[in-house]
Amino acid sequence: AQTVTQSQPEMSVQEAETVTLSCTYDTSESDYYLFWYKQPPSRQMILVIRQEAYKQQNATENRFSVNFQKAAKSFSLKISDSQLGDAAMYFCAYRGRDDKIIFGKGTRLHILP
Amino acid sequence: NAGVTQTPKFQVLKTGQSMTLQCAQDMNHNSMYWYRQDPGMGLRLIYYSASEGTTDKGEVPNGYNVSRLNKREFSLRLESAAPSQTSVYFCASKRGEYQETQYFGPGTRLLVL
Repeated sequence: AQTVTQSQPEMSVQEAETVTLSCTYDTSESDYYLFWYKQPPSRQMILVIRQEAYKQQNATENRFSVNFQKAAKSFSLKISDSQLGDAAMYFCAYRGRDDKIIFGKGTRLHILP
Repeated sequence: NAGVTQTPKFQVLKTGQSMTLQCAQDMNHNSMYWYRQDPGMGLRLIYYSASEGTTDKGEVPNGYNVSRLNKREFSLRLESAAPSQTSVYFCASKRGEYQETQYFGPGTRLLVL
């Protein structure tokens, strides 16, 4: 069975600095999708970025980028120029061919002014 | 478009009571999902519906039933609520194709006393 592990329950970063959130996963599939979701205090789940496993190029969305290492089964999220609005829970997620999403337990990110 | 809507936003039940959580989407999506989120955990899949008229169990289906009433609506029923079902429940939908992204509703917070 697939698993998703986020080893950092909480992290803090100074405003305007860069922070990297870690995620590892385990799967025997070769075709899958990986996601980072943001959950602010409102509890709304917001898609930050997604990566198709067959693409070697790392996905980027403005200040958010990923480092996808398929062989190492690693999928980290880098947030550049951190802003106060980035404070939230961040969930790494995996979706395989059965189309079911498996979430990690999350990393709470604090932004220090 | 309202996207994915859920009712109610918050509910308190006594042990043994029943209730139905409602979910609707106006994006003409084929697939719909129900998740629960417990403290310190990511989202876990309860049930999903790949298309109108079909439903399948997810990771934690015990104690729940679902109905895919039509393409727009997917309800989750607790027949006899238990304190272990205290959680935040999220509905999500997706167009249906494998590569598409899931969109989440705002969540329903349920407290079972």
